[in-house]
Amino acid sequence: AQSVTQLDSQVPVFEEAPVELRCNYSSSVSVYLFWYVQYPNQGLQLLLKYLSGSTLVKGINGFEAEFNKSQTSFHLRKPSVHISDTAEYFCAVSDPRGNTGKLIFGQGTTLQVKP
Amino acid sequence: IAGITQAPTSQILAAGRRMTLRCTQDMRHNAMYWYRQDLGLGLRLIHYSNTAGTTGKGEVPDGYSVSRANTDDFPLTLASAVPSQTSVYFCASRADRANTEAFFGQGTRLTVV
Repeated sequence: AQSVTQLDSQVPVFEEAPVELRCNYSSSVSVYLFWYVQYPNQGLQLLLKYLSGSTLVKGINGFEAEFNKSQTSFHLRKPSVHISDTAEYFCAVSDPRGNTGKLIFGQGTTLQVKP
Repeated sequence: IAGITQAPTSQILAAGRRMTLRCTQDMRHNAMYWYRQDLGLGLRLIHYSNTAGTTGKGEVPDGYSVSRANTDDFPLTLASAVPSQTSVYFCASRADRANTEAFFGQGTRLTVV
């Protein structure tokens, strides 16, 4: 079974500063990895995903994430955040075996961007 | 606009009552999911369905049941609601590959009193 741990429940940061949201996963098999964002009172939307190949993945809104197999991590980064990036961010894993798999989420990290 | 529709958007429910949360998608996705979102716990999978006619249990299935009579609909039923089922419930769907994006509904905020 897979599991996901997001190491920070809240990350406060000033506008235009860089940010890193940490995610570690546990799995006995290779997995697909995702980052989703949830704006207030909305559903989740995909930021980026890692399936295979290059370990640096670029997503929407200037976000990127790096897959590190040895550390079983998939940390999300942005070099300069905006007020509009204030949201809840979720890391998720999916088992690639079979046609579909359970999509398992972490506990979420609240990014608070301050002016 | 194609997507997922959940109903109702919010509900206050007396403990012991039966309630069905509705979820409909028009993207012809095979896989559908129900999650509950609770502060500090993230999204936890309740039940899922890989294709019409099949369902499976997720991380927290107790007290909930689902059915998947067709591709589009995936209702979630609370047979006898309890206060611990107070939560925000999200329905999601994705195409039949584990590497594809999941699309989420807007959520149902349920309060059991």
